[in-house]
Amino acid sequence: DTGVSQNPRHKITKRGQNVTFRCDPISEHNRLYWYRQTLGQGPEFLTYFQNEAQLEKSRLLSDRFSAERPKGSFSTLEIQRTEQGDSAMYLCASSLVLGVKTEAFFGQGTRLTVV
Amino acid sequence: RKEVEQDPGPFNVPEGATVAFNCTYSNSASQSFFWYRQDCRKEPKLLMSVYSSGNEDGRFTAQLNRASQYISLLIRDSKLSDSATYLCVVGAAGNKLTFGGGTRVLVKP
Repeated sequence: DTGVSQNPRHKITKRGQNVTFRCDPISEHNRLYWYRQTLGQGPEFLTYFQNEAQLEKSRLLSDRFSAERPKGSFSTLEIQRTEQGDSAMYLCASSLVLGVKTEAFFGQGTRLTVV
Repeated sequence: RKEVEQDPGPFNVPEGATVAFNCTYSNSASQSFFWYRQDCRKEPKLLMSVYSSGNEDGRFTAQLNRASQYISLLIRDSKLSDSATYLCVVGAAGNKLTFGGGTRVLVKP
């Protein structure tokens, strides 16, 4: 399978614990995005990378959230001291940016439940 | 005002009918535009890119109106399998992609 891969698919954690999600993009894609989605809402932008550089992080994101893409390939999203409000689907997408062409392809997401 | 706005619906559509809906965006510098389809509890999937001249893919037609800052999606001859949420996506300078809240379409027999 050469699509975007996310692990784990599901995560249940207790409030206050730290969690880390992984995203493996399509291999030749230079851009990687993280989004969060709750039921009935569209995906909300969290952050994105061009190769290993983090270009933007949402102002809505607290300091408990951090993302890395150390070698410009896979990326991790860590949430520290999870809260119940962090329960959501976390989506990763990747794209090959050529000029203005930026079609992005999504992984199946990681569903986080904080209890 | 949200950067990308959509009518949440639902649009209840008889099978075989035509349905159309719009998406407005606030950033006049936006450069790329897409429609994605999302089924319940699944990831968004690219339906089509939207080009400035408008484009068609089978029963789906997308239009871009830069002057009024909206894009539209029209579905002809609706099928039951077209029932989904349709997400409008706009790419700003630097190509951050911003999603609308989605328009829910329900096609009924």
